[in-house]
Amino acid sequence: NAGVTQTPKFRVLKTGQSMTLLCAQDMNHEYMYWYRQDPGMGLRLIHYSVGEGTTAKGEVPDGYNVSRLKKQNFLLGLESAAPSQTSVYFCASSHGGGTEAFFGQGTRLTVV
Amino acid sequence: AQRVTQPEKLLSVFKGAPVELKCNYSYSGSPELFWYVQYSRQRLQLLLRHISRESIKGFTADLNKGETSFHLKKPFAQEEDSAMYYCALRGAGGGNKLTFGTGTQLKVEL
Repeated sequence: NAGVTQTPKFRVLKTGQSMTLLCAQDMNHEYMYWYRQDPGMGLRLIHYSVGEGTTAKGEVPDGYNVSRLKKQNFLLGLESAAPSQTSVYFCASSHGGGTEAFFGQGTRLTVV
Repeated sequence: AQRVTQPEKLLSVFKGAPVELKCNYSYSGSPELFWYVQYSRQRLQLLLRHISRESIKGFTADLNKGETSFHLKKPFAQEEDSAMYYCALRGAGGGNKLTFGTGTQLKVEL
């Protein structure tokens, strides 16, 4: 079982460029999440989805957009990357009802 | 609003010494508390949750509602316990969302 898979693992962007991070899960989970991990700040929720076709803002949504066209995929987009978006991005998924969240391996993004 | 506080960024202990990683939370209702662990170059994984009241890899954590704490403890630290530990809270709001603390890096020295 692959679990939660993120693509790509590493990326360097120039300021102003755009990119999309892909998260795929094979556990038939309803809920999916995008977090960013920064030193001294822990993990902060960017956007999340409670089901196919739905998205909602988390704690730090500015500068990001998301889409959940298929239940197994959750895409995170940066339309115009900024150095402040340099971070490690984690995707996670879970069933509802207070169950465990499973995380991807992370994407290390550097914006120069 | 819900908040999780982990006061220590780094905790360094010797092998065989007791370990206590502190976690305090702020939440008006009845929260679910979790500990996640991230070993070097690996993904976050669930270590334990308060509703299970179980011991994983020798770690235990008890929810103290009076002190709003969920400290992680282990009587004898092992070298393989070195990792980043995150305390997390799930409130009653929609989305099954987790709020994480800032994490504590545990370093077990020989």
